[in-house]
Amino acid sequence: DVKVTQSSRYLVKRTGEKVFLECVQDMDHENMFWYRQDPGLGLRLIYFSYDVKMKEKGDIPEGYSVSREKKERFSLILESASTNQTSMYLCASSTTGPETQYFGPGTRLLVL
Amino acid sequence: EDQVTQSPEALRLQEGESSSLNCSYTVSGLRGLFWYRQDPGKGPEFLFTLYSAGEEKEKERLKATLTKKESFLHITAPKPEDSATYLCAVFLQAGTALIFGKGTTLSVSS
Repeated sequence: DVKVTQSSRYLVKRTGEKVFLECVQDMDHENMFWYRQDPGLGLRLIYFSYDVKMKEKGDIPEGYSVSREKKERFSLILESASTNQTSMYLCASSTTGPETQYFGPGTRLLVL
Repeated sequence: EDQVTQSPEALRLQEGESSSLNCSYTVSGLRGLFWYRQDPGKGPEFLFTLYSAGEEKEKERLKATLTKKESFLHITAPKPEDSATYLCAVFLQAGTALIFGKGTTLSVSS
């Protein structure tokens, strides 16, 4: 069964803190993605990765960085959290070919 | 610019009242179209992939169809548990990410 897990369901952080969101998939997928989802704006792609140590910017990479040291793990880093980064963060993975993305449960982040 | 538009934004139905959700796209070189269901506070759940015009897929009360310009998600005799946001996304070429529409929020009342 397809499984994508995210390290936290809910997170509360202070402005200026460094925040790590982790995503793990157990399907041996090559591709992994980070999105944020906000009311009225839909899903917006932050970063994606097609291989270990590879990363590509999405539509809204500013204020974020990523790390992919192992195939199954993709981390999203907020270098200095700001209130406008309060959002629902979704991780997804896919294999090359069908490209169907499977999503994790999401992390709801609140930055105060 | 490649674009995916879903309509309506919100749809309210009575239980048993069939209807359709629309996903129209203006893209160059569609290679696949995906439908997802998302419940509040959860990640999207994969429903269907369609690859070519004329293709249809069914799952319980849902049927997805694809033409050269749009896709429909038909919901037959919906139940309250079908209430969710339905997202469509298109895949253009390898090495790129999916392009998502903003979704249609369906509410089914008994």
